[in-house]
Amino acid sequence: DAGVTQSPTHLIKTRGQQVTLRCSPKSGHDTVSWYQQALGQGPQFIFQYYEEEERQRGNFPDRFSGHQFPNYSSELNVNALLLGDSALYLCASSFGIAGVSNEQFFGPGTRLTVL
Amino acid sequence: GQQVMQIPQYQHVQEGEDFTTYCNSSTTLSNIQWYKQRPGGHPVFLIQLVKSGEVKKQKRLTFQFGEAKKNSSLHITATQTTDVGTYFCAGVKAAGNKLTFGGGTRVLVKP
Repeated sequence: DAGVTQSPTHLIKTRGQQVTLRCSPKSGHDTVSWYQQALGQGPQFIFQYYEEEERQRGNFPDRFSGHQFPNYSSELNVNALLLGDSALYLCASSFGIAGVSNEQFFGPGTRLTVL
Repeated sequence: GQQVMQIPQYQHVQEGEDFTTYCNSSTTLSNIQWYKQRPGGHPVFLIQLVKSGEVKKQKRLTFQFGEAKKNSSLHITATQTTDVGTYFCAGVKAAGNKLTFGGGTRVLVKP
């Protein structure tokens, strides 16, 4: 039973570019949440997807957008990259609309470096 | 907005000793979760507390949820080198659906 997978593992971009990160949830899970974890800090909630719709959103600008596909996998897009977007981006999956009220299974993350 | 604070930020522990890390929320929580993140790894779920005053144990780890559902603690007894990592609490606000993480307690174990 595969856990949460994310791609790519590492990514280097320059300011102003756009990036797309991908996540496949754990088998049987239908809810995907995205988090940004800066070095030495706790994960910060970006948004949550359920039934292909964004259900909850944290305090992130519109440059951060996402999508969920019918197979429950998800993408995180970040436009007009800033140096401050450098972080570990974590995807977490769970089951049901109550999503974050249940155990979150985290993927290994994508390390994004913006130069 | 909701804030979750953890203290201490760093914990240096002699192997075999006990320690406690504390988590405080600015708002009442519907539940609180604890995660452990090893260096270079990702957060791994440890436990969820839902009821006021709830206490749960996992071997050497004891988790407690405060009576007012605004604070929680994690107590580790007889610390081992395998306990190294960062322990995060994460709370869901009552009537909310966002998981807010604390800043974590980074645990270093001296053999």
